[in-house]
Amino acid sequence: QSVLTQPPSASGTPGQRVTISCSGSGSNIGSKTVNWYQQFPGTAPKLLIYHNNQRPSGVPDRFSGSKSGTSASLAISGLQSEDESDYYCVAWDDSLNGWVFGGGTKLTVL
Amino acid sequence: EVQLLESGGGLVQPGGSLRLSCAASGFTFSSSAMSWVRQAPEKGLEWVSLISDNGHSTYYADSVKGRFIISRDNSKNTQYLQMNSLRAEDTAIYYCVKGGIYCIYGDCYPQPMDYWGQGTLVTVSS
Repeated sequence: QSVLTQPPSASGTPGQRVTISCSGSGSNIGSKTVNWYQQFPGTAPKLLIYHNNQRPSGVPDRFSGSKSGTSASLAISGLQSEDESDYYCVAWDDSLNGWVFGGGTKLTVL
Repeated sequence: EVQLLESGGGLVQPGGSLRLSCAASGFTFSSSAMSWVRQAPEKGLEWVSLISDNGHSTYYADSVKGRFIISRDNSKNTQYLQMNSLRAEDTAIYYCVKGGIYCIYGDCYPQPMDYWGQGTLVTVSS
């Protein structure tokens, strides 16, 4: 059971906007920033969003992040087939004194 | 270009030990914290451990505390993960990751883990 809760799956059609949620508590998301990773099968994760809503160089602006209270969201607009991947949220947890991940969300582009 | 190359994975019996290494290049290793994250087969990501840039601060997930030891050698641009008393549930791909924490004047703050190696597979089985 992951400390951060994500839906196991999400889907959308090309061009659509989809969001993936990540729910935590006051000791993690409620007091710390959230990062998001994208992982394709058989490859290492890639940093997609950091500090809630910042994009590393090279990440398309179709990807955006937000946070409110103890929850965070990843939004993907103008969905493309190459966005089909697994997405993970992560935050530092002050109670556990370490990083905690969400269980991951598998995004399917229909 | 940041490069992280893990080595040392393999098959080990329950109760055994293994030491993973991660050779880093493309950035100032001695100025960066380093982490280990693992992923069991067909499962999600699990943070394992991290070490500050100078090695003075270390952190562990409860699942490995007391069994795993993280260390680094800044003269060799390499970090290590000594894994003892291995269990079947430790079977996973272990990723070497740059970042995780930033320490200054004795205080440490979370910092995004930004670059990942390709991982090394550890299998614990009899």
